[in-house]
Amino acid sequence: DIVMTQSPDSLGVSLGERVSINCKSSQSVLHSSNNKNYLAWYQQNPGQPPKLLIYWASTRESGVPDRFSGSGSGTDFTLSISSLQAEDVAVYYCQQYYTTPLTFGGGTKVEIK
Amino acid sequence: EVQLVESGGDLIQPGGSLRLSCVASGFTFSTYWMHWVRQGPGKGLVWVARVSSDGSSTTYADSVKGRFTFSRDNAKSTLYLQMNSLRAEDTAVYYCAREFCTGGSCYGVFDYWGQGTLVTVSS
Repeated sequence: DIVMTQSPDSLGVSLGERVSINCKSSQSVLHSSNNKNYLAWYQQNPGQPPKLLIYWASTRESGVPDRFSGSGSGTDFTLSISSLQAEDVAVYYCQQYYTTPLTFGGGTKVEIK
Repeated sequence: EVQLVESGGDLIQPGGSLRLSCVASGFTFSTYWMHWVRQGPGKGLVWVARVSSDGSSTTYADSVKGRFTFSRDNAKSTLYLQMNSLRAEDTAVYYCAREFCTGGSCYGVFDYWGQGTLVTVSS
């Protein structure tokens, strides 16, 4: 199984500041057939199901604000929020879809400092 | 509007059985692979199983293999998760989720989720 490791577990950031969340996979999720990274990011607010933010490591889902961006390749990835807004307080998960079992990172809780 | 509505969650004793349902609407259900993902209380997301668009192929996480059966009825736009031999560690909110498709292909990314149904396994 591909193990997804996120860091940090939680972070407190002031409104308007930049947020960076890291995700590392135990093996590469870059598919040689199409040169795409099979890595997605989700946002989960309390009591709600997750919401897809980013797929292919860096492609924003329709309707996701452009302050959210994804980067990285192979085994190391980052989700960035350029300027934290109050509504961004949530838990963020990375997920690999390179192979089954599909696996998620442990989550990163983002709070307002 | 795409909607996924789960039901069937309950308090069940260890060793018991339960069947979850997920009714889909707002999209052509029969063309999408579908999944179950669960989340234990205060814990992260764990993929449980997937079913192909026509129901002929299923894949399970090792933790539920042999105990859970994932099926679908495309005529009713409904998914079913039959859960047998339930254990305390199966306690979770169970979400059904639709697989994301782009460029004519689909991938194990989840673009729509239901609100979830709570399964509690306890004596």
